[in-house]
Amino acid sequence: DQQVKQNSPSLSVQEGRISILNCDYTNSMFDYFLWYKKYPAEGPTFLISISSIKDKNEDGRFTVFLNKSAKHLSLHIVPSQPGDSAVYFCAARDSGTYKYIFGTGTRLKVLA
Amino acid sequence: EPEVTQTPSHQVTQMGQEVILRCVPISNHLYFYWYRQILGQKVEFLVSFYNNEISEKSEIFDDQFSVERPDGSNFTLKIRSTKLEDSAMYFCASSRFNTGELFFGEGSRLTVL
Repeated sequence: DQQVKQNSPSLSVQEGRISILNCDYTNSMFDYFLWYKKYPAEGPTFLISISSIKDKNEDGRFTVFLNKSAKHLSLHIVPSQPGDSAVYFCAARDSGTYKYIFGTGTRLKVLA
Repeated sequence: EPEVTQTPSHQVTQMGQEVILRCVPISNHLYFYWYRQILGQKVEFLVSFYNNEISEKSEIFDDQFSVERPDGSNFTLKIRSTKLEDSAMYFCASSRFNTGELFFGEGSRLTVL
């Protein structure tokens, strides 16, 4: 039962262009959505989050968009930099259990 | 900046041995979690802990697993009798709850031989 899905296992983008990472969810009880960046053998690094009552949150080069009717969120990175190359996970918090469910990740490669 | 710290960074153990993984969550956080990631797979929820008791646990978190907050700062995960399939990265995380933000430690790599 995959409540949080990242359907693109990988994405390649040229340096300076926009990276768009997508995530879909099924559970209407999620109240927060988060994005993490992860390198192998390291812990996930928190990037940005959004409450379910908002539709956009921006922090520097990172913007998260939430479309509740479509149960879809996306992370935009502008401009993309080679240092952004990593695996990105979306996660969602269940408002009833406070459990965070993770997607399967998207490997982003930013080409110089 | 406050961070979640985990020890050890890597532990190698024989099958059947007990292992304790330790975590120091961020000091003003109230919710604590353990997750694990088997190589190349997704980050899986194991257990959450609030107010000195388990609030949720997954099917993975069977009788071989236990968690404890023995003092005001440490949060431990014990695996009583390790199996080969317990080999994974184990991540501790903590949350203040009201912001929804969840912060992870660097992980403890467990290798069961």
